[in-house]
Amino acid sequence: QVQLVQSGAEVKKPGASVKVSCKVSGYTLTELSMHWVRQAPGKGLEWMGGFDPEDGETIYAQKFQGRVTMTEDTSTDTAYMELSSLRSEDTAVYYCATATQQWLDYWGQGTLVTVSS
Amino acid sequence: DIVMTQTPLSLSVTPGQPASISCKSSQSLLHSDGKTYLYWYLQKPGQSPQLLIYEVSSRFSGVPDRFSGSGSGTDFTLKISRVEAEDVGVYYCMQGIHLPLTFGQGTRLEIK
Repeated sequence: QVQLVQSGAEVKKPGASVKVSCKVSGYTLTELSMHWVRQAPGKGLEWMGGFDPEDGETIYAQKFQGRVTMTEDTSTDTAYMELSSLRSEDTAVYYCATATQQWLDYWGQGTLVTVSS
Repeated sequence: DIVMTQTPLSLSVTPGQPASISCKSSQSLLHSDGKTYLYWYLQKPGQSPQLLIYEVSSRFSGVPDRFSGSGSGTDFTLKISRVEAEDVGVYYCMQGIHLPLTFGQGTRLEIK
């Protein structure tokens, strides 16, 4: 079974960047596809991007293109999501979630990112 | 992008009674491989979402059999045969046939 452990909460100023990590255990990163989903306070789930196994590349939601970068370190089985040019509307809980046998079958515990001046 | 629409947005159910949530997609979720890529998730209070149902009607590992999914094409339903207190939370449907993955607005289930 996959376990995902994310980095801790962050507080950032508008215009800054944040990088959230997601450590995988139980599988190796090469055995699964990693995705990132965010949830603003009191709101629903929003897919930000992830690895498309059909195309063999990482796909970003159009809303975040140019501001988000998703990377992986296979030597440590850790995935990263970096979001730049932060604004107050980016305040949210950010989740990593895997697609092993099914889309988004395992989720991390979430990382709260607060953007405030 | 495929739009997912859930109804109702909130539900109050007496323990032991059934509950049903509808999800409609703006396009068919039937893939050429014969599978229909519709998923249901439950987000319990203060927790991460968890997968309940995949490909319309298959229960994920450890999910109780009181949860069932049905539907085809663009119309889908999640049913809970007998609601228990631990079923409280927000239920989301999601389509996985095309990227971007998209979710319904969520249905909040509370216990009477």
